[in-house]
Amino acid sequence: TQLLEQSPQFLSIQEGENLTVYCNSSSVFSSLQWYRQEPGEGPVLLVTVVTGGEVKKLKRLTFQFGDARKDSSLHITAAQPGDTGLYLCAGYGSSNTGKLIFGQGTTLQVKP
Amino acid sequence: DADVTQTPRNRITKTGKRIMLECSQTKGHDRMYWYRQDPGLGLRLIYYSFDVKDINKGEISDGYSVSRQAQAKFSLSLESAIPNQTALYFCATSDLQPGRNEQFFGPGTRLTVL
Repeated sequence: TQLLEQSPQFLSIQEGENLTVYCNSSSVFSSLQWYRQEPGEGPVLLVTVVTGGEVKKLKRLTFQFGDARKDSSLHITAAQPGDTGLYLCAGYGSSNTGKLIFGQGTTLQVKP
Repeated sequence: DADVTQTPRNRITKTGKRIMLECSQTKGHDRMYWYRQDPGLGLRLIYYSFDVKDINKGEISDGYSVSRQAQAKFSLSLESAIPNQTALYFCATSDLQPGRNEQFFGPGTRLTVL
């Protein structure tokens, strides 16, 4: 069974600070996705990374896929209160079953 | 209008009752999924369907059943609800391309079993 472990599970920081969320596995994934979920809503896709070593930027968010395609990270620069939410990493396994495997999630709170 | 809708949004029921959660989508996707979300556990797959005639169990299907009435509709049933089925339930859809597709989620149903 392929698993994704996210860390930390909870992060509370002040506005303007930087942070990194990690998503790790012992298995290879064909791609990894990052979703953001706000209270009362379903998760919404932020990015998909496919190639080992790939780096994608979305404004102040930087996503990286590990060279071996077993891990990913999300870095937020100068966090803002609007970044508050639950961040979920998810991956499609190398066996291509079409099922998405989710990490436990990281709850981010950015205080003004 | 939302592309993926779920009804009801909130439900409180008693142990032993039968409950049906409904999901409809207007995205035209063939693939539909039911997930359960519990604090600290992320999203866990209950059932999934890749087309109208295809139903598959996910990692936590015990105590649940599903029905794919049409391409656009996928229902989740709890035949006899129990308190540890209290959770947030999400329906999702995706397109056919495997391996990297975005999943589109409904707003969720908060179910409480007393």
